[in-house]
Amino acid sequence: DIQMTQSPPSLSASVGDRVTITCRASQSISIYLNWYQQKPGKAPKLLIYTASSLHTGVPSRFSGSGSGTDFTLTISSLQPEDFATYYCQQSYSAPPRFGQGTKLEIK
Amino acid sequence: QVQLQESGPRLVKPSETLSLTCSVSGYSIISGYFWGWIRQPPGKGLEWIGSVFHGGTTYYNPSLKSRVTLSIDTSKNQFSLKLSSVTAADTAVYYCARDWYLGPGYSGYFDYWGQGILVPVSS
Repeated sequence: DIQMTQSPPSLSASVGDRVTITCRASQSISIYLNWYQQKPGKAPKLLIYTASSLHTGVPSRFSGSGSGTDFTLTISSLQPEDFATYYCQQSYSAPPRFGQGTKLEIK
Repeated sequence: QVQLQESGPRLVKPSETLSLTCSVSGYSIISGYFWGWIRQPPGKGLEWIGSVFHGGTTYYNPSLKSRVTLSIDTSKNQFSLKLSSVTAADTAVYYCARDWYLGPGYSGYFDYWGQGILVPVSS
């Protein structure tokens, strides 16, 4: 199985900040990396698929980049509704595995 | 707008079988896509369980494969999960989701999710 490691596990930031979250795969996964946002008590929501494609309805302040083993999710200017936990997930092979999550908190 | 809704018993006893159904609206499951189940133990991360196609093709997480059965009922636009011989470790919120399967050799990503259903395993 391909293992996914996110960093940092948690992050404190302020409204308006630019934030980057990193995801590393245990082997190359080309561009087959996806990002989700989850708020407490809610289902995850797809943000980005295949590394950099924005899912329908997702604000343009969210962007993704990377290929191979190293990927980033960037939020260009944090909004109050962005404080949540973010997960990466590889779709290069089965089983699709998620990272352990990065909790983004208000500073 | 694709919508999914999980339903099933809210408590399962150890050693019994957990059975959940996902009802899909706004999209006909016979039109395509795989349909999957993902779970999340309280306070923990996400674990994919398996996915099923309308033709009956399935793929499972090897760690759960021996205990999981997925099925699909196109007449009701629903798909179902059965997880046998449950223990307390199977206590989780169970989500159903549409699986954008990328093809043989790949897996997929999950673009629409149900709200989730918490299923405790306890005597």
